[in-house]
Amino acid sequence: QSMLTQPPSASGTPGQRVTISCSGSSSNIGSNTVNWYQQFPGTAPKLLIFNNNQRPSGVPDRFSGSKSGTSSSLAISGLQSEDESYYYCAAWDDTLNGSVFGGGTKLTVL
Amino acid sequence: EVQLVESGGGLVQPGGSLRLSCEASGFIFKNYNMNWVRQAPGKGLEWVSYISRTSDTIYYADSVKGRFTISRDNAKNSLYLQMNNLRTEDTAVYYCARVRSSTTSSLDFWGQGTLVTVSS
Repeated sequence: QSMLTQPPSASGTPGQRVTISCSGSSSNIGSNTVNWYQQFPGTAPKLLIFNNNQRPSGVPDRFSGSKSGTSSSLAISGLQSEDESYYYCAAWDDTLNGSVFGGGTKLTVL
Repeated sequence: EVQLVESGGGLVQPGGSLRLSCEASGFIFKNYNMNWVRQAPGKGLEWVSYISRTSDTIYYADSVKGRFTISRDNAKNSLYLQMNNLRTEDTAVYYCARVRSSTTSSLDFWGQGTLVTVSS
């Protein structure tokens, strides 16, 4: 199963704005919406962004998502130490008839 | 409160079988599509399977097709994953997850996961 492409790591200092990219293809991001998940080690993933740029109730507006063509980005503004976590993008793939995830990005707050 | 509780994981030899269960509560289970997603130790998330509300649409990842079977019992508020002919590469934490709505593929609630270890 193909994967979406994310950078393995990202970092920033408190208060900074960081972005995490996610690259796909015409069969997934290019034709379907993108979702982002946050996962702390040893715990289940949590939905952070759905339908490209929508936040579930309870997710701070410091988190935002965008999509353009076959790529998507997650932006975190006003970075906080508690944002240090793993972040995954995902989208439905029309060719595979299944969901595909990115490999995950480990965000470090310096 | 929405809750998803997986069970059935454990240690199994290569070629063996296991049946995972996911018991749902706090929402009307029959109204939601469901998924299984797994995560190998130290690795990223991998989608495994999808089942629609009425079980009329089912999809599998190529890596498990022909070996795994997803099913659900809406009367029992339960989701299942029958895993046959297990391989060492199937070792992972298996999560059941709810699809947020019929207009998205996003997974808004996840269980705590159950560990499956395939080893001789």
